[in-house]
Amino acid sequence: DIQMTQSPSSLSASVGDRVTITCRASQNFSSYLNWYQQKPGKAPNLLIYAAFSLQSGVPSRFSGSRSGTDFTLTISSLQPEDFATYYCQQSYSSPYTFGQGTKLEIK
Amino acid sequence: EVQLVESGGGLVQSGGSLRLSCAASGFTFSSYWMTWVRQAPGKGLEWVANIKQEGSEKYYVDSVKGRFTISRDNAKNSLYLQMNSLRAEDTAVYYCARDWGWASLDVWGQGTTVTVSS
Repeated sequence: DIQMTQSPSSLSASVGDRVTITCRASQNFSSYLNWYQQKPGKAPNLLIYAAFSLQSGVPSRFSGSRSGTDFTLTISSLQPEDFATYYCQQSYSSPYTFGQGTKLEIK
Repeated sequence: EVQLVESGGGLVQSGGSLRLSCAASGFTFSSYWMTWVRQAPGKGLEWVANIKQEGSEKYYVDSVKGRFTISRDNAKNSLYLQMNSLRAEDTAVYYCARDWGWASLDVWGQGTTVTVSS
């Protein structure tokens, strides 16, 4: 199985900050990497698919990138509604494993 | 409106069985792979299983193989998860989700809670 190691596990930041979250894959694969946002008590919401593509309706301050087996989610300028938990997921090889999650909190 | 609604969760004893359902509406259900994802209390997301459009291919995470069965009824626009030999570690909120481009999950239900008591 492909393991996804997500870092950091938690992060404190302020409104307006630029934030990056990274997922490292245990093996190389093409850009079948997705990012989700989850708020307490709610289902996850797809932000980025195929490593770089912004899901319809998602603000452009969210972006995705890749360098080898490292995948990054960047939020360019944090807004109050962005404080949530973020998960990466590889959809290259079954089982389509998730990262452990990054909880983004207000500083 | 595109929507997924899960049902069938509840409290069950260890070793028992439960069948979850997911009713789809607002899209052509038979055109999509479908997935179950679970989340244990206070924990992260775990991909459980998925099924191809016509049901000919099914995949499972190792921890549920041989105990859980994913199925679908395209005539009823419904997805199912039959869970047998339940264990305490199966306690979680179970979500159904639609597989979209690049196997990302673009539509999710609200979740149904399964509690396995030991």
